[in-house]
Amino acid sequence: DIQVTQSPSSLSASVGDRVTITCRTSETISNHINWFQQKAGKAPNLLIYTASSLQSGVPSRFSGSGSGTDFTLTISSLQPEDFATYYCQQNHNFPQTFGPGTKVEVK
Amino acid sequence: EAQLEQSGAEVKKPGQSLKISCKSSGYTFTNHWIAWVRQMPGKGLEWMGIIWPGDSDARYSPSFQGQVSFSADRSINTAYLSWTRLKASDAAMYFCARQGTGGALDIWGQGTRVIVSS
Repeated sequence: DIQVTQSPSSLSASVGDRVTITCRTSETISNHINWFQQKAGKAPNLLIYTASSLQSGVPSRFSGSGSGTDFTLTISSLQPEDFATYYCQQNHNFPQTFGPGTKVEVK
Repeated sequence: EAQLEQSGAEVKKPGQSLKISCKSSGYTFTNHWIAWVRQMPGKGLEWMGIIWPGDSDARYSPSFQGQVSFSADRSINTAYLSWTRLKASDAAMYFCARQGTGGALDIWGQGTRVIVSS
């Protein structure tokens, strides 16, 4: 199985901050990485697919980059509604593993 | 608008069987994989596996192989996740999700909470 790690596991930030979350896979996966946002008690919401494509309806302050084994999700200017947990997921091979998540909290 | 509607919360005893559902609308059910994702209380997301509703071809994560079953009824656009004998450790929130553009899970159900307690 492809292992997926994320860093940091949590971070504290303020509204307006630039936030970067990193995802690393144990094998090269081309650009087959997706990013999700999950708020407490809700289903996850797709933000970015194939590493850098913005899902329809997602604000442009979210962006993704990377290929191979190293990927990043960036929030250019953190908004109040962005405090949540973020997960990456590889869909290069079965099983399509998720990272452990990064919780973005209020500083 | 594409949507997935999941069945309601379940309270079961260990050893009982259970089948939860995920009904699709707003798109062609047989043209997209449906994934199942587990989230245990306070924990992260776990990919359980995936089913192609067109022919019920299913792929399971090794962690869930033999523990659960996926099925689909094309006549009513509904996918199912089932257990024959629940364990206390099966208590979790279960999500279904459609695999869409680029293979990403683009549409999610609201989740079904499963409580297993004697």
